[in-house]
Amino acid sequence: AQSVTQLGSHVSVSEGALVLLRCNYSSSVPPYLFWYVQYPNQGLQLLLKYTSAATLVKGINGFEAEFKKSETSFHLTKPSAHMSDAAEYFCAVSDRGTGGFKTIFGAGTRLFVKA
Amino acid sequence: DSGVTQTPKHLITATGQRVTLRCSPRSGDLSVYWYQQSLDQGLQFLIQYYNGEERAKGNILERFSAQQFPDLHSELNLSSLELGDSALYFCASGRDGANSPLHFGNGTRLTVT
Repeated sequence: AQSVTQLGSHVSVSEGALVLLRCNYSSSVPPYLFWYVQYPNQGLQLLLKYTSAATLVKGINGFEAEFKKSETSFHLTKPSAHMSDAAEYFCAVSDRGTGGFKTIFGAGTRLFVKA
Repeated sequence: DSGVTQTPKHLITATGQRVTLRCSPRSGDLSVYWYQQSLDQGLQFLIQYYNGEERAKGNILERFSAQQFPDLHSELNLSSLELGDSALYFCASGRDGANSPLHFGNGTRLTVT
């Protein structure tokens, strides 16, 4: 079965600094990978998705992620953090199981942005 | 706005009781997913329905059940509630397919006292 591992349950950066949130996956080829963001008291929202068209995927709010097959990674980055980026981020993989597709989420990484 | 509507937003009930959570999917989406989010367990997949039929099951307890109706809305029924069932319950909807993202509602916060 496919799975994702997010390294670091909490990440803290200063405003303006680089954001790097790590995600490793285990999957058969091809993997369908996603990053979602959850702001307080809200549901998850899609940030970006990888569907094999390009290894560097650009998402909303200036985030991007690079698919590295050799490292089985799909890390999320943003060059310059804003206070509004403080949220929880989830990496996810879509898995075809019995009867249909199922999305498996990582444990999440909470991003703190310091002024 | 994701287009997914969940009601109620908050629910407070006592142990042993039964509650029903409701979800209306985004227009055009045939799949409905239910997730439970708690501090200790993270985001756990419970169950998926596609066009009225159960498609996949995750870590759903036997005390929990769900269904999807002909108009595609879904209900999650939680019975014999325990303190440990206190959590955020999310519904998500999507198209069928591995590269189709999920669209989440804002959740129902269940508190069991």
